[in-house]
Amino acid sequence: GQQLNQSPQSMFIQEGEDVSMNCTSSSIFNTWLWYKQDPGEGPVLLIALYKAGELTSNGRLTAQFGITRKDSFLNISASIPSDVGIYFCAGQGTSGSRLTFGEGTQLTVNP
Amino acid sequence: GAVVSQHPSRVICKSGTSVKIECRSLDFQATTMFWYRQFPKQSLMLMATSNEGSKATYEQGVEKDKFLINHASLTLSTLTVTSAHPEDSSFYICSASRVDWEKLFFGSGTQLSVL
Repeated sequence: GQQLNQSPQSMFIQEGEDVSMNCTSSSIFNTWLWYKQDPGEGPVLLIALYKAGELTSNGRLTAQFGITRKDSFLNISASIPSDVGIYFCAGQGTSGSRLTFGEGTQLTVNP
Repeated sequence: GAVVSQHPSRVICKSGTSVKIECRSLDFQATTMFWYRQFPKQSLMLMATSNEGSKATYEQGVEKDKFLINHASLTLSTLTVTSAHPEDSSFYICSASRVDWEKLFFGSGTQLSVL
């Protein structure tokens, strides 16, 4: 099946630093989604991207849908301790269809 | 955002017993629900896709007789792990969508521990 390569696998940063993570795919997606998962919880949607080239922000988070439709990145600015968690990218072919998830990026923020 | 409720959040059972997990869409009608399994420090792996009123579609390698999925209404899907064994211990997560939505919303997950 389709595979998403997400990097980095983990990040250890100081509070206040900016963070960047990305996903690449061998296939085209029509939608890119970014989720955050806290321990013992389900993923929570952060940002959804629907058009190639689209750049969308949600507070300190910014994500872009790559022009080729095969990649996306997520930036977190001025990180804070509550940003700790696992971030997943996900690609979707058509509306309401299954998601293909990346392997996740474990973010640790040191106060 | 849309709310998807999943129960129970945690269950511990003896080997050989069956466990039922419920997934409800609280403020919308979910034409499709998905069931995922997640092992520690790993990504979500899709187990099956269920559409209301029809049989679930299982991913390759997922035993349909072991993981019974019922999507009897537009707001409820259930996953029953039959004759559970320790290797079935995992975090199970459901998600739901409407046909006209690009987004999927997730339940809070169920941690299953089989002794």
